[in-house]
Amino acid sequence: GQQVMQIPQYQHVQEGEDFTTYCNSSTTLSNIQWYKQRPGGHPVFLIQLVKSGEVKKQKRLTFQFGEAKKNSSLHITATQTTDVGTYFCAGLGGNQFYFGTGTSLTVIP
Amino acid sequence: GAVVSQHPSWVICKSGTSVKIECRSLDFQATTMFWYRQFPKQSLMLMATSNEGSKATYEQGVEKDKFLINHASLTLSTLTVTSAHPEDSSFYICSAPDAGGGNEKLFFGSGTQLSVL
Repeated sequence: GQQVMQIPQYQHVQEGEDFTTYCNSSTTLSNIQWYKQRPGGHPVFLIQLVKSGEVKKQKRLTFQFGEAKKNSSLHITATQTTDVGTYFCAGLGGNQFYFGTGTSLTVIP
Repeated sequence: GAVVSQHPSWVICKSGTSVKIECRSLDFQATTMFWYRQFPKQSLMLMATSNEGSKATYEQGVEKDKFLINHASLTLSTLTVTSAHPEDSSFYICSAPDAGGGNEKLFFGSGTQLSVL
């Protein structure tokens, strides 16, 4: 079945350092979405990428969709304590969303 | 943005009882809703896709007789955990896609923490 893996599983960074999480799918995706889940909360939509090679930016966050539409990355520049949470990618395969394994980010002040 | 309301937020029940979880789309119609299960510090595992007016589609390994899903209207889907056992204790969360504006993002309920004693 569909598998979406993310690395790393956990990441601890000092405030101000950069952070990147990578998402890899076993199959080609129609699109990829990124969500953030704060501790104790529910996932919140961040962005969607549709086109091969697409790059989108949201302030300090940069999202990329691979050329083969099987991988994606999220890069945060100069992390802040408000960035703490788990970041999930979600790939649309068929008519279902499959979530990646998630990367839990801890930012040390 | 779209709002998905999930109730209850948490429930504690005795082993052998059934628990119903409701998921409502408050300001949009959802012909499809997804039910996920999440263990602590793990990802969301898709359990089933709920379809309004038809049978739910279950993921491999998910017992349809154990996790009953009903999607009787365009704004309400329910998940019933039947004869719950301690191993069913988990965080259950629903979501619905809102295709408004051509961007089919998922909106999540706040989740239900189920503890089976």
